[in-house]
Amino acid sequence: EPEVTQTPSHQVTQMGQEVILRCVPISNHLYFYWYRQILGQKVEFLVSFYNNEISEKSEIFDDQFSVERPDGSNFTLKIRSTKLEDSAMYFCASSALAGGLFEQFFGPGTRLTVL
Amino acid sequence: AQTVTQSQPEMSVQEAETVTLSCTYDTSENNYYLFWYKQPPSRQMILVIRQEAYKQQNATENRFSVNFQKAAKSFSLKISDSQLGDTAMYFCAFSVLDNTDKLIFGTGTRLQVFP
Repeated sequence: EPEVTQTPSHQVTQMGQEVILRCVPISNHLYFYWYRQILGQKVEFLVSFYNNEISEKSEIFDDQFSVERPDGSNFTLKIRSTKLEDSAMYFCASSALAGGLFEQFFGPGTRLTVL
Repeated sequence: AQTVTQSQPEMSVQEAETVTLSCTYDTSENNYYLFWYKQPPSRQMILVIRQEAYKQQNATENRFSVNFQKAAKSFSLKISDSQLGDTAMYFCAFSVLDNTDKLIFGTGTRLQVFP
């Protein structure tokens, strides 16, 4: 069964460093998302991406964040200069189409630890 | 703004018994979707069940059913004949019927099924 994959599973970085989190969505999906979950808190929407552009972003998704689909298979989240509060689990998701009828499939997550 | 509240951080149930997880939400929208996602330990989130707000009939998927009370903005999940494999975090989520498609999650309920 097709699934969303994410690499790495755990990333440790120093404050101020840039990190890139990678996701491979399900191959025929068109909509891509990033969510994050700070330990013990709720899963929060960061950004949605369709047709090579951001369709919506949350207040969390400030200028330090960017997303890209560089090669038609990967979907990346870049944090330019990490802060301690960026430590969280980051989930990638994809769906075939938009609208609640189309399930968002989630990856296993990348745990980001900023020291 | 839409919010989702799960007031039970942890629940436990004996194998073969029935358990109900609570979820309430707040929105001024009329067209939306509600979801229950399951996140087993160290695994990705998977969709358990989905409810369209315009449907009065409660959704059912095998041992999983919901009690959707639109006026009360309540969306509880009932798991019948609980199995050890049901042990997981359960997240209630909400999505407005528009092009953005973002999911708004509750804080989750950790369910432990005991033999």
